[in-house]
Amino acid sequence: NAGVMQNPRHLVRRRGQEARLRCSPMKGHSHVYWYRQLPEEGLKFMVYLQKENIIDESGMPKERFSAEFPKEGPSILRIQQVVRGDSAAYFCASSPDGAGLDFGPGTRLLVL
Amino acid sequence: GESVGLHLPTLSVQEGDNSIINCAYSNSASDYFIWYKQESGKGPQFIIDIRSNMDKRQGQRVTVLLNKTVKHLSLQIAATQPGDSAVYFCAEIDGDSSYKLIFGSGTRLLVRP
Repeated sequence: NAGVMQNPRHLVRRRGQEARLRCSPMKGHSHVYWYRQLPEEGLKFMVYLQKENIIDESGMPKERFSAEFPKEGPSILRIQQVVRGDSAAYFCASSPDGAGLDFGPGTRLLVL
Repeated sequence: GESVGLHLPTLSVQEGDNSIINCAYSNSASDYFIWYKQESGKGPQFIIDIRSNMDKRQGQRVTVLLNKTVKHLSLQIAATQPGDSAVYFCAEIDGDSSYKLIFGSGTRLLVRP
């Protein structure tokens, strides 16, 4: 049983470009969460999605950030017009029922 | 919002000794707590959890203690091994949701051979 998969594992972007992070949840998991981690800090909640629905996006900046979890395919976290402050590790987690999260390996975004 | 914090940023222990990692939380309404281990370059890995109706829970080589009176959580690792070297986070479920994890800032555990 493959765990939560994220790609790319590392992403380098220049200021102003777009970053697109993908997350494939564990098989059978319909709940997806995105967290952001700055160096030497704990993870911070960004957004919670179920298939085709955003349940809670209270931790996600209102501008430039968006997330989706379509009926088919991975969940996507999209950051438009990236700035240096967006540099962080972005972790996706999934669960079958809204509890017991399994985390992916993360995408490390570096904005030059 | 409410926060979860740790007392020690770095803990160095001798291989074979026991390790104790501490965590303070501020939301007295929190009823579920989790310890995660994060190795370098990896995502958080679940270690053990505890609900507020318990004060102790044991796993394999790990024990979590919960003191609700002083809002304190600890993780004890018995016979610490080099493979235990990692950053450890405590997390609580946000009292306003059933799913949102609030993480502490982490303690780095270094195991000396």
